[in-house]
Amino acid sequence: KQEVTQIPAALSVPEGENLVLNCSFTDSAIYNLQWFRQDPGKGLTSLLLIQSSQREQTSGRLNASLDKSSGRSTLYIAASQPGDSATYLCAVMGNTDKLIFGTGTRLQVFP
Amino acid sequence: DAGVIQSPRHEVTEMGQEVTLRCKPISGHNSLFWYRQTMMRGLELLIYFNNNVPIDDSGMPEDRFSAKMPNASFSTLKIQPSEPRDSAVYFCASSRRTNSYEQYFGPGTRLTVT
Repeated sequence: KQEVTQIPAALSVPEGENLVLNCSFTDSAIYNLQWFRQDPGKGLTSLLLIQSSQREQTSGRLNASLDKSSGRSTLYIAASQPGDSATYLCAVMGNTDKLIFGTGTRLQVFP
Repeated sequence: DAGVIQSPRHEVTEMGQEVTLRCKPISGHNSLFWYRQTMMRGLELLIYFNNNVPIDDSGMPEDRFSAKMPNASFSTLKIQPSEPRDSAVYFCASSRRTNSYEQYFGPGTRLTVT
């Protein structure tokens, strides 16, 4: 059974710092991995999707990497801003259409 | 594109009442997913449909929960009778079954059962 873990559970950093969020999964037989952002009381916004054959994806200040063999993904946020404050969730898809979610990292970026 | 639309956004009901949550997927998407989010259990998949057909309902907690997708543009999740432990945020998501299978989420329905 696939299990997804995110570390740390919470993170508080000053504005401008570069930071890394971690995601690990127990079954390396994945089809893709998605990173989402969730603001309080809101739905999920897809940030990046990495196919199993890819090593990384970039969007603006965000870079996500995937090491399938070791069951790890990282989300790198460059030059963090207060507007980046949110909960970040990673989710993996196996050989079905089902996404298995991690418990999230709650990020706070203070001015 | 309007994105995934869910209604109502908030629902407060009394224990024992029937609750119906509604979802309109993104036009052209042929997969639809219902998730539930709670503090204790995080995000859990309840059921998903491909081409309006239920594929996996193993996440539906009990027989009080049922879901239908009568056509490609509409789905319902029904709870009858509702219980306080059903209080959660229910999300609907849709995807196009192409190479990426990327899922797009609606804003959710916050359900409170008193």
